[in-house]
Amino acid sequence: NAGVTQTPKFRILKIGQSMTLQCAQDMNHNYMYWYRQDPGMGLKLIYYSVGAGITDKGEVPNGYNVSRSTTEDFPLRLELAAPSQTSVYFCASSYNRNNEQFFGPGTRLTVL
Amino acid sequence: AQTVTQSQPEMSVQEAETVTLSCTYDTSESDYYLFWYKQPPSRQMILVIRQEAYKQQNATENRFSVNFQKAAKSFSLKISDSQLGDAAMYFCALNNAGNMLTFGGGTRLMVKP
Repeated sequence: NAGVTQTPKFRILKIGQSMTLQCAQDMNHNYMYWYRQDPGMGLKLIYYSVGAGITDKGEVPNGYNVSRSTTEDFPLRLELAAPSQTSVYFCASSYNRNNEQFFGPGTRLTVL
Repeated sequence: AQTVTQSQPEMSVQEAETVTLSCTYDTSESDYYLFWYKQPPSRQMILVIRQEAYKQQNATENRFSVNFQKAAKSFSLKISDSQLGDAAMYFCALNNAGNMLTFGGGTRLMVKP
């Protein structure tokens, strides 16, 4: 099993550009999550999904969009990138809400 | 709303010694789960230990154990026989009746040889 995979590992964007961060898991987990981690801080939940076709906002959803068309994939879309979105983005998955969340390796995004 | 507080930004321990990392939390739920995650310089988030709130017995995983005080809303992590590979950021996290995992701000652990 590859676990949770994320692409790309690094990306530099210009202000106003858009991009999609990809996340995939091969563990047949129902729950998937997107977090951001600012320097020296803990992780904050952006969006989550409890199954294909179902998504909901987390703590810091502004400026982001998600979709979940399959159990395996949970892409995160950034529209009109801003410097405040410079962060490390983690995708995670779990079998249900009470189980351990498995994390991907992260994507370091810089918006200049 | 739920909150998680880690009051120690940095801790230091001598190799082979024991260290305790503190975590306090606040939630109005009676059913919840607590976690400690380790984040080494590689950035990978690794689960260290998990505690169900309804269990009175403290969780243990090899050299890692917790002191779970439900009434005090305290969830500390004890690392025994510290090793150089234990050096990392440690995050306490709370998952209550909702679907959100709330993280504390982290404690950086340094291990001195």
